[in-house]
Amino acid sequence: IAGITQAPTSQILAAGRRMTLRCTQDMRHNAMYWYRQDLGLGLRLIHYSNTAGTTGKGEVPDGYSVSRANTDDFPLTLASAVPSQTSVYFCASSTTSGGPDTQYFGPGTRLTVL
Amino acid sequence: GQNIDQPTEMTATEGAIVQINCTYQTSGFNGLFWYQQHAGEAPTFLSYNVLDGLEEKGRFSSFLSRSKGYSYLLLKELQMKDSASYLCAVGDSNYQLIWGAGTKLIIKP
Repeated sequence: IAGITQAPTSQILAAGRRMTLRCTQDMRHNAMYWYRQDLGLGLRLIHYSNTAGTTGKGEVPDGYSVSRANTDDFPLTLASAVPSQTSVYFCASSTTSGGPDTQYFGPGTRLTVL
Repeated sequence: GQNIDQPTEMTATEGAIVQINCTYQTSGFNGLFWYQQHAGEAPTFLSYNVLDGLEEKGRFSSFLSRSKGYSYLLLKELQMKDSASYLCAVGDSNYQLIWGAGTKLIIKP
């Protein structure tokens, strides 16, 4: 593994189904983030984690949950998917969250909810 | 509220120079980032400004004026591979990044 990986690359999901998007980094970064990117809008922060064992809510957290059991993994779960959650999801990480550190992004997951 | 404004789309000619502007209003300021994003790919870091002035890195330069809430990204000697979206992001008082919607740059031969 080099950098940040995300899985799956893309997914079509029926509304009401549960889905977990996976994110793994091997850079030993403390901070990790989940964003969604929709056409015409900037990246919007869903949830973040400053360090293993802690998480926080971003701008658009409703309908999503995260966990940070260890430094490397930061899964994002949609408990009951809805069509408005159709988007491209990016996971990112940075060295720390206590300063303006550069964020490094995974390749993204394209999710379609029907 | 917090707001980042960038032009939606710009067109330029190969070999020319283009300036992409970004204005911001945020709760606090902890640096301004520029990222490049090719279609279907992840954003990648280009530059970071925290003090007023110009930062130069090869063909790309980024300028910041904190008093005006303004930045620009200057791309020189444009190449076809520079066709991409350019995202402006500002670190707010909580050190979270607030992102603009991005400027799609189209390079014509």
